[in-house]
Amino acid sequence: EAGVAQSPRYKIIEKRQSVAFWCNPISGHATLYWYQQILGQGPKLLIQFQNNGVVDDSQLPKDRFSAERLKGVDSTLKIQPAKLEDSAVYLCASSLEGTSGAITDTQYFGPGTRLTVL
Amino acid sequence: AQSVTQLGSHVSVSEGALVLLRCNYSSSVPPYLFWYVQYPNQGLQLLLKYTSAATLVKGINGFEAEFKKSETSFHLTKPSAHMSDAAEYFCAVRRVGGFKTIFGAGTRLFVKA
Repeated sequence: EAGVAQSPRYKIIEKRQSVAFWCNPISGHATLYWYQQILGQGPKLLIQFQNNGVVDDSQLPKDRFSAERLKGVDSTLKIQPAKLEDSAVYLCASSLEGTSGAITDTQYFGPGTRLTVL
Repeated sequence: AQSVTQLGSHVSVSEGALVLLRCNYSSSVPPYLFWYVQYPNQGLQLLLKYTSAATLVKGINGFEAEFKKSETSFHLTKPSAHMSDAAEYFCAVRRVGGFKTIFGAGTRLFVKA
């Protein structure tokens, strides 16, 4: 079974530029998550999708971050314009269900995209 | 609000020694608890999870964790460390019936030969 795919793996941009990340979840997984992991910290949930609908985006800085999951499969996360503090690893994860609260619902993580903003 | 605290951002052990990574949670009711491992340049992988069925939970790679309600703890242990265990470990919590997982800051494990 193929895992969660993310691209690019690394990205270096200057502040005020725009950047986009792509994620392809495990086939059949209804729920997709984007996390931000700043160096020395645990992952922080930015947005959670159930199919193509948003379940939680309470910690997404909506003035600069946007995300979409068209057709309920792959997803893109965009930052426009980027700030220095956006330097982090952006992790995508997927799970079979996600919003039922079922303990058996395990999140599977991709390798992440490491963003450096100069 | 739920939270987890991982005591010690770095832990160093010798190969063959006991591994003990500490995690304390804050929640009004016993939550679901998880331990994840992250190897360099990789995503997180689930090691084990507490489902309230048993207080001692066994996971992959010889790790286990014990849920102690009186201490609000969920420490991760392994009897004998291996060089391949060197990684970052994250404790996480989720409210029963909820869908949002909160992660701790992580503990980096170093294993000395």
